[in-house]
Amino acid sequence: DVKVTQSSRYLVKRTGEKVFLECVQDMDHENMFWYRQDPGLGLRLIYFSYDVKMKEKGDIPEGYSVSREKKERFSLILESASTNQTSMYLCASRQRGGNTEAFFGQGTRLTVV
Amino acid sequence: DAKTTQPNSMESNEEEPVHLPCNHSTISGTDYIHWYRQLPSQGPEYVIHGLTSNVNNRMASLAIAEDRKSSTLILHRATLRDAAVYYCILTSKISSGSARQLTFGSGTQLTVLP
Repeated sequence: DVKVTQSSRYLVKRTGEKVFLECVQDMDHENMFWYRQDPGLGLRLIYFSYDVKMKEKGDIPEGYSVSREKKERFSLILESASTNQTSMYLCASRQRGGNTEAFFGQGTRLTVV
Repeated sequence: DAKTTQPNSMESNEEEPVHLPCNHSTISGTDYIHWYRQLPSQGPEYVIHGLTSNVNNRMASLAIAEDRKSSTLILHRATLRDAAVYYCILTSKISSGSARQLTFGSGTQLTVLP
């Protein structure tokens, strides 16, 4: 019963390419998140969306943009991929409220060459 | 924002209890305490959460100090499959539209020895 699905498990892109990472959740959650995870740095929040077409920058939004046209889908966009964006990207969704659990996707390991 | 502090790493022997500590001295009255864990090559998964009282579920127990400035995640009998990074985070009952709802620190790397 997969709840949060990321479109790719592994992805290799060239420097300068426009990259789309897709995330879909089937739980009707209002909140969706994009993180990147690098060794020794933990999970760092890139962007957050709390409703359709609504977004908020996280800790490291530079070089990224997001799109949320439908409630179930949250896309992370790398406008011009660079090698320092090589990382594991994780998507999460969560219902609004402090006592609700978050669900994570399996992650997309992106390599930019 | 209220922050949490956890040890970088801990070790445990298989089939023994494990107590993972978390300090959150600046917690506010509306903050829930959540624990997640991340197994190798997987996304984080929810373990347990609580507000004031101790909590139990099939995975673990959560003991919350009376002043709520610290908490302990208890794995009653560690198995090799419990080896993971454990994250303690705070989420607010209010401002649920904020990104600060789900901010992760570095977590505790738990090693389980056979």
